[in-house]
Amino acid sequence: QKEVEQNSGPLSVPEGAIASLNCTYSDRGSQSFFWYRQYSGKSPELIMSIYSNGDKEDGRFTAQLNKASQYVSLLIRDSQPSDSATYLCAVNSVYSSASKIIFGSGTRLSIRP
Amino acid sequence: EPEVTQTPSHQVTQMGQEVILRCVPISNHLYFYWYRQILGQKVEFLVSFYNNEISEKSEIFDDQFSVERPDGSNFTLKIRSTKLEDSAMYFCASRRAFAREQFFGPGTRLTVL
Repeated sequence: QKEVEQNSGPLSVPEGAIASLNCTYSDRGSQSFFWYRQYSGKSPELIMSIYSNGDKEDGRFTAQLNKASQYVSLLIRDSQPSDSATYLCAVNSVYSSASKIIFGSGTRLSIRP
Repeated sequence: EPEVTQTPSHQVTQMGQEVILRCVPISNHLYFYWYRQILGQKVEFLVSFYNNEISEKSEIFDDQFSVERPDGSNFTLKIRSTKLEDSAMYFCASRRAFAREQFFGPGTRLTVL
């Protein structure tokens, strides 16, 4: 069974601090990795994608990928109350010709003032 | 910025009734997907659609489900005889050719009574 694992949280971080979210995946052949943000009752919103080992930065967000360890992370700098949401790690399925995405169960992030 | 749209936002139906959920993918996207999320659970892949045919479907997508692209803009998911366990958020997603990112619509909340 191909899985994406995340700590469900909640992860509580003070405003202005760095939030660090982690994810592991089981399929070593996975090639595309995504972070989606999901507010309660809303749809997943793509915030980062990463395909190569290393770091990728976009504004306050940095995605990190280590394929050897099958590990993906998301750092959020200068955390704001509006960052409070569930963060979904998602991985493409290498066995899928249609590039379906497999989601983790999400980490709930709470930014405290 | 172009978005995926979905209608209705909320559908309430009686068990055994047929429902059709509608989606308008982003206009230059060629790959279309349906996912669902039961309350408190992971986002799960249902089906993918490309070039006017299903390219992949999950075990959830049984004979009660069907998809169609009736015209150049709409993409629909039909559930022929709804069951209580079909109650969930249904998300439509789309992606461009040669791209990996999938963009999600706002979802339809289906409640089966």
